[in-house]
Amino acid sequence: GAGVSQTPSNKVTEKGKYVELRCDPISGHTALYWYRQSLGQGPEFLIYFQGTGAADDSGLPNDRFFAVRPEGSVSTLKIQRTERGDSAVYLCASSSTSYNEQFFGPGTRLTVL
Amino acid sequence: DQQVKQNSPSLSVQEGRISILNCDYTNSMFDYFLWYKKYPAEGPTFLISISSIKDKNEDGRFTVFLNKSAKHLSLHIVPSQPGDSAVYFCAASAARGGSEKLVFGKGTKLTVNP
Repeated sequence: GAGVSQTPSNKVTEKGKYVELRCDPISGHTALYWYRQSLGQGPEFLIYFQGTGAADDSGLPNDRFFAVRPEGSVSTLKIQRTERGDSAVYLCASSSTSYNEQFFGPGTRLTVL
Repeated sequence: DQQVKQNSPSLSVQEGRISILNCDYTNSMFDYFLWYKKYPAEGPTFLISISSIKDKNEDGRFTVFLNKSAKHLSLHIVPSQPGDSAVYFCAASAARGGSEKLVFGKGTKLTVNP
């Protein structure tokens, strides 16, 4: 079966621009997570959806970051007024229930010039 | 303040020998632990997990040990193979406490030499 997919795989943008990153979870997985990984670090949690609602958004660094999952499947992470410090690999993961492993997509590498 | 620590940035072993990767945590609310393997330009791949009610879980060549009193877990790979060369991340969650998010260590780069 298909795994978690993310598009685009790479995104280069200029400081101050708006970007959208898309995640397609494994079919049937109700939980969806966004993480951000900087060079030399482990993935850092951003936000968690259970169904359509954001159950935990405590990892979003500031109000420039927003994520949606309107139909409980595909999710979009939106970043406004991008800054150079936003450059990282953005990872999406999904799982079927709690206490289950999270399956990760390949990530989107965001570069803000 | 790092809640999950992998103090060895790198580890090198010979093919056929045992690889032991270590992880320490500070949050006593963590009750579920996972190991992920990551190749360059790919997302992390789940390897093995353990619940806090157990002290050992085994899957083929991979075994995870959990010492709750020491807040320490380790991943053993026996025998190590060149294809095991990757970055290994330890992760923890406090799912019973209502927190589903994974908290990751910084990773250990394992190199298995032929």
